Amino acid sequence: EAEVAQSPRYKITEKSQAVAFWCDPISGHATLYWYRQILGQGPELLVQFQDESVVDDSQLPKDRFSAERLKGVDSTLKIQPAELGDSAMYLCASSLATTDTGELFFGEGSRLTVL
Amino acid sequence: DQQVKQNSPSLSVQEGRISILNCDYTNSMFDYFLWYKKYPAEGPTFLISISSIKDKNEDGRFTVFLNKSAKHLSLHIVPSQPGDSAVYFCAASGNTPLVFGKGTRLSVIA
Repeated sequence: EAEVAQSPRYKITEKSQAVAFWCDPISGHATLYWYRQILGQGPELLVQFQDESVVDDSQLPKDRFSAERLKGVDSTLKIQPAELGDSAMYLCASSLATTDTGELFFGEGSRLTVL
Repeated sequence: DQQVKQNSPSLSVQEGRISILNCDYTNSMFDYFLWYKKYPAEGPTFLISISSIKDKNEDGRFTVFLNKSAKHLSLHIVPSQPGDSAVYFCAASGNTPLVFGKGTRLSVIA
C-alpha cells in the first residue's frame, strides 16, 4: 500500500541549531501539506502546496521556517534557528484531490525535541 | 479561537458497548467533516467523513452524525473493541485546508 514517507522519525537538537525534515508523498498526489502537532493539541497547518506552488503558508512562521517542493514531488521543511517552543510532531500529508474535500494521507511524522 | 472543538479529552468504554465521541464547530462555512484515528508514534489515519448535505454516514461499526443547526457532529462506534483505543480527531473544511480539533483519547476496556 502506498504511503507518505517522512524522515527523520526523531530529531533532537539544541536551540539555535538548524533542522530539516523531508517528505515524499504518495505518487500522483498533487497536494502536499505540512502540519505541526504539539502534544495534547490537534494538527495545525503550516503550509500547503499544490504541485510546486505554495497555496497557503499564512500560519508558517516565516522568520525561521521555510518549506519547498521544487519539483512538485518531495518536500523539505526547514527550521533555522530552532527554538524550545518548536518541539512538536511535524506531520506531512498528501491528497489526490485539488479541492479541500479530499481525504488526507498522513506520514508517520517527525518528532522534534529542542533542548 | 478554536473553530473545531472536542470538549472531552478522554473517554473510557467497556468492550462491546457503544463509544460516542463529540465535536462542535463554529465556522458555518465548513461543509465537509472527517474523523481521523491516531495510534501512538503513528500519523493520523482517515476513518470516516460526511458532507454537509447529509446527516448520517455509516461504515461498518462506525457512524458519523451531523447536526448542522447545532453545528455538532458525533462519531459512534458500536460495538467498541480494544483495538479502537486511540486518539480520535475531528476535522472540518470549507474551501480551506482541514482544521482539526484537539482530539479525544478513547480507551476501550476489555
